[in-house]
Order: sequence, then C-alpha cells, then structure tokens
Amino acid sequence: EDQVTQSPEALRLQEGESSSLNCSYTVSGLRGLFWYRQDPGKGPEFLFTLYSAGEEKEKERLKATLTKKESFLHITAPKPEDSATYLCAVLGGMDSSYKLIFGSGTRLLVRP
Amino acid sequence: DAGITQSPRHKVTETGTPVTLRCHQTENHRYMYWYRQDPGHGLRLIHYSYGVKDTDKGEVSDGYSVSRSKTEDFLLTLESATSSQTSVYFCAISEGEDYEQYFGPGTRLTVT
Repeated sequence: EDQVTQSPEALRLQEGESSSLNCSYTVSGLRGLFWYRQDPGKGPEFLFTLYSAGEEKEKERLKATLTKKESFLHITAPKPEDSATYLCAVLGGMDSSYKLIFGSGTRLLVRP
Repeated sequence: DAGITQSPRHKVTETGTPVTLRCHQTENHRYMYWYRQDPGHGLRLIHYSYGVKDTDKGEVSDGYSVSRSKTEDFLLTLESATSSQTSVYFCAISEGEDYEQYFGPGTRLTVT
C-alpha cells in the first residue's frame, strides 16, 4: 500500500535557524513527489515537483531533494513568513491511477 | 494564482439533506479533483475527473457523487449529508496525471 510519512509533526525555529523537514514514502513506482505549503484557512500552494532520485529544486529559502525512499525540504535562514504547514504528496504508478497520496504535514512556526 | 473558485465557501446543513459543492476553473485543465481534509487524516481524494463526463472514484468516495458536464465545472454532491461528512473540501486541477495539482480556496461544510 502506498504510504507517506512526514516528520516532525511540528517544528519551532528561531528566525535564521536553518532546518529540514522529512517525507518518507513507500510507493509502487514513483511518478512524482510534490511539496505544498498550506496557510491556515487556505488551500495548499504548490512548491515543487521531483521526479527522480538525485533531483533537487530551489525556490528562495527552500530547497527540495529526493532519494529513493525519502525527500527533504531544507529551509535556510527562515523568516516568520515561512510559518505554515508543509505537505508532501506522492504519485505512484501501477494501479495508483493518478491518485496523489498526501502525508499529514509538518507545522512550521518561525519565531522572530 | 491558478483560476479556481469554489462555492459556497461556507455551508451549514442538516443531516439527511442533499448538498452540492461547485468548483469552477478558468485554466482549461483536463483533470479536476475533489479532496476532503480532516485533522489526523490529511488530504484524501474523493473523486476525480479526466475529462468531460469522465470520472472515477478516489479513496473515500462512499456517500459522494460527482458530475462534469463542462470542462470548467466539477460538481460534488452529498446525496444525504451525514455528520461524518463535516470537513473542509478542496477542489484541485492539473494539466495531466503526472503534473502538479493546483488547489482552490476550499469549502468548509458543517453537517449538524
């Protein structure tokens, strides 16, 4: 069964304190791994897509990396406006039929 | 922002009444999806559509039906609402099955 596990569930950082969020997955044939940001009361906002192990994507203070078993979202020198819930999702092959499987998310709080 | 609107944004209804949620897109994307988001469960796929009049079930489809008569509109119907269907419902769109999905602002539904 396809599964996505995110850790930690919650993370508190001081402004400027770099850290990483983890997304571990098991899927029968990875077709894509997606990172989203979700603010309270809003829909998820797309950040990155990674398709193969070794791939990396960057956007401002965020960098996503992918291995065969997990993905990391590295946050460098975070600011309070980076506070949000970060969601990871995988799209598997075989019989997954276009169905994204989401993790439960990591709630990030960046204090000034 | 992707051109996705959902209506209504908030709704309170009574157990046993039918409810229809609407998703409208201006991006002309082929794929449309309905998710529900609940604490402890994350985002779960209810139904999706891969073209006009082409739909399929997701992970939690029991008690829900969908229809898509036009590219831009995807309707989610709760035939007889139950308290377990109290949730936040998100619509999403994508260009293709391996592409990122873009989410709407959500509808908060309360069934009393």
